[in-house]
Amino acid sequence: NAGVTQTPKFQVLKTGQSMTLQCAQDMNHEYMSWYRQDPGMGLRLIHYSVGAGITDQGEVPNGYNVSRSTTEDFPLRLLSAAPSQTSVYFCASSEPGSPGYTFGSGTRLTVV
Amino acid sequence: EDQVTQSPEALRLQEGESSSLNCSYTVSGLRGLFWYRQDPGKGPEFLFTLYSAGEEKEKERLKATLTKKESFLHITAPKPEDSATYLCAVGTDYKLSFGAGTTVTVRA
Repeated sequence: NAGVTQTPKFQVLKTGQSMTLQCAQDMNHEYMSWYRQDPGMGLRLIHYSVGAGITDQGEVPNGYNVSRSTTEDFPLRLLSAAPSQTSVYFCASSEPGSPGYTFGSGTRLTVV
Repeated sequence: EDQVTQSPEALRLQEGESSSLNCSYTVSGLRGLFWYRQDPGKGPEFLFTLYSAGEEKEKERLKATLTKKESFLHITAPKPEDSATYLCAVGTDYKLSFGAGTTVTVRA
């Protein structure tokens, strides 16, 4: 089992560019979530999904889109990158009733 | 809105020197309190979930406890490999509010 796989690991974007952060899990988990981690602020929820075709907004959704067409994949799209989106992004998955997320290893994004 | 505050921000310990980390929370109704460990450059790793006041869970040198307003993570006789950032969170299986974490450094 690979667990939760995130690609790319590092990315530099120019302001205004768009891109997609990929997240895939091979554990058949129903739940998937995206968080961003900034120094001194802890992890903040961007979007989450409780099953294929079902997504909802978290605490900081502005500037990001998600979709969940399959159980395995949950990509995060940045529509028009801004320097405020410079952060480390983590994807996580979990199963109902099974405590605790499995996190990916993160994508470090820099917007210049 | 759920709020989580962790203290201290950083903790430096000598090997074998036991200590505790604090996580205080404000929620409309506690569904679960979660502890994670995060090593530099890696994603958080799940440690414990606690659901009700009075509950305790242990794993090796770590013990988590829960009251109605806070949780403690006790580290007993720590070793250098216990050095990490410990994160506390409240919420459900798919939607968590995290604290900023406590970075623990254990010196040999």
